[in-house]
Amino acid sequence: QVHLVQSGAEVKQPGSSVKVSCEASGDTVSNDAIYWMRQAPGQGLEWMGMTIPLLGTANYARKFQGRVTISADRSTTTAYMELNSLRSEDTAVYYCARATKWHNPEFDYWGQGTLITVSS
Amino acid sequence: DIQMTQSPSSLSASVGDRVTITCRASQIINNFLNWYQQQPGKAPKLLIYGASNLQSAVPSRFSGSGFGTDFTLTISSLEPEDFATYFCQQSNSPPITFGQGTRLEIK
Repeated sequence: QVHLVQSGAEVKQPGSSVKVSCEASGDTVSNDAIYWMRQAPGQGLEWMGMTIPLLGTANYARKFQGRVTISADRSTTTAYMELNSLRSEDTAVYYCARATKWHNPEFDYWGQGTLITVSS
Repeated sequence: DIQMTQSPSSLSASVGDRVTITCRASQIINNFLNWYQQQPGKAPKLLIYGASNLQSAVPSRFSGSGFGTDFTLTISSLEPEDFATYFCQQSNSPPITFGQGTRLEIK
């Protein structure tokens, strides 16, 4: 069993930044990848980016390039997703998810989700 | 980017019914297709990976098939807990993309 526990909901002002954490525990594997997705109210899932903590690498969806930073701290088995220049359209539930494969992944464990509301 | 199109977008069915949801990819994705179930207010749950492989602890009434561009998720006999939204996801080539979802409702 793997548990991914995310930080709590936040309300942010337009133009500000948010940083969401995702702490992994349980039967994690050192070469796991952590992906970040988001889901706007009533909408589908959208991939934002991913990191392989073992390698210290990150890749981002083109849509979020330059506005998102994904990182990880191996010592605390915690991944982070920081999104800048927030706008109302960024209001969504943000999820982290684990993949054991670096290519052709499926996501067998998910965090509980973090609601980020962008409003003035 | 590979577009994933699910049909139907919503479906009404009764306990005990057999239901099939389809997912079509805009390009060939081999068998790199995964299915998830999402209950309201919850994170998605992996059901099927690699188009036809049942994830551990998922009931055997769920099955998946397909290759290339056309895929199906079948629930052989609906249970009350199966009423949820279902998403397909391709991982053949980045960026990974999801279908828009199929909402399965009680008739």
